[in-house]
Amino acid sequence: DQQVKQNSPSLSVQEGRISILNCDYTNSMFDYFLWYKKYPAEGPTFLISISSIKDKNEDGRFTVFLNKSAKHLSLHIVPSQPGDSAVYFCAATPYTGNQFYFGTGTSLTVIP
Amino acid sequence: DSGVTQTPKHLITATGQRVTLRCSPRSGDLSVYWYQQSLDQGLQFLIQYYNGEERAKGNILERFSAQQFPDLHSELNLSSLELGDSALYFCASSVGLHSSTDTQYFGPGTRLTVL
Repeated sequence: DQQVKQNSPSLSVQEGRISILNCDYTNSMFDYFLWYKKYPAEGPTFLISISSIKDKNEDGRFTVFLNKSAKHLSLHIVPSQPGDSAVYFCAATPYTGNQFYFGTGTSLTVIP
Repeated sequence: DSGVTQTPKHLITATGQRVTLRCSPRSGDLSVYWYQQSLDQGLQFLIQYYNGEERAKGNILERFSAQQFPDLHSELNLSSLELGDSALYFCASSVGLHSSTDTQYFGPGTRLTVL
């Protein structure tokens, strides 16, 4: 049972435009959400996180939005750069949890 | 470079065999997590060790086992291998016990191919 879902396997965006990656979850016990970025032949690297007490968190070009009532989070990248081309995974965990639940990933291609 | 090392990078073996994957966490990290990523799947949590003790178990098969040694490195043992065990296996480490308070840093993974 996939508790964290990324329904778009891939996304293509022009350089300089906004990339929006979406993620839905089903478990209302999830309190902490993260985005990881993965390049080929490398492990995932942490990008940005958000706690359930917030609805927005920014870090430079990256912003994560959380809509708890809809059980939905999104990652906005503005402006998108070719180096952002990678697979993006969202993950979630309960506050006292010991494991992350990962989505299946969205492959982002930023076209120069 | 995350500071987490995994060996080997690639492993090719036959059905029915047993393999051991190794992970060295970042310096100072006490938790080690193991994940499996099969084709077109997200990362599936297998098991967590904290300071030598098993602390959480996910979708880990009985044919699989893990341990964390006093020097904090960890090994994942996969036995009676089946074709479906072919996957990328990632190790991650973090400072503390809980996922919500610590970032997990991932190693580059071990690609296991079972023929």
